[in-house]
Amino acid sequence: AQTVTQSQPEMSVQEAETVTLSCTYDTSENNYYLFWYKQPPSRQMILVIRQEAYKQQNATENRFSVNFQKAAKSFSLKISDSQLGDTAMYFCAFISPEGGSEKLVFGKGTKLTVNP
Amino acid sequence: DAGVTQSPTHLIKTRGQQVTLRCSPKSGHDTVSWYQQALGQGPQFIFQYYEEEERQRGNFPDRFSGHQFPNYSSELNVNALLLGDSALYLCASSLVGGPHYGYTFGSGTRLTVV
Repeated sequence: AQTVTQSQPEMSVQEAETVTLSCTYDTSENNYYLFWYKQPPSRQMILVIRQEAYKQQNATENRFSVNFQKAAKSFSLKISDSQLGDTAMYFCAFISPEGGSEKLVFGKGTKLTVNP
Repeated sequence: DAGVTQSPTHLIKTRGQQVTLRCSPKSGHDTVSWYQQALGQGPQFIFQYYEEEERQRGNFPDRFSGHQFPNYSSELNVNALLLGDSALYLCASSLVGGPHYGYTFGSGTRLTVV
């Protein structure tokens, strides 16, 4: 079974500082994709960043970057220069299209609070 | 460019009743997936619709059923509601074969069963 584990239920960071959210996953597949989604109080899931498993290079999107360690099945999210608007639930998610599956498997989430 | 639209935003139902939730996908998307997000949990996959057919299903009982219309919009129906069905129901759309680019989610329907 494919699983995603986020071991930090809650985290906090001061505005302008850097924070790292952890995620590990378990799969026997070789071709898969990993995502970080942000869910603010508005409830809409917003895609923050994605990583293709076959790419060695870590993905970056402005202040957001990932540390993808395929052998360790680890996929952490680093947020630099944290802003108040980054306060939200963050979910790590996994999808493996092998076998025709298109379902996202989510972790339980990390609640991030950015303090002024 | 409209994103994913869900209705209603909130709903209160009594145990044993039936409910229908609605979703309009993002313009240009042809595939709709439904997720259930219980309080404090990550979303769980219910099922996916493409070309008006259920394409894939998660571990949910037959009380959960769906439909996709020719304009790609979709409905989620839940029969014989249980207290445990209380959750946020999220709709997500994508292009078939393209979810690895990331789904587009709606803001969800908050269902409360009393």
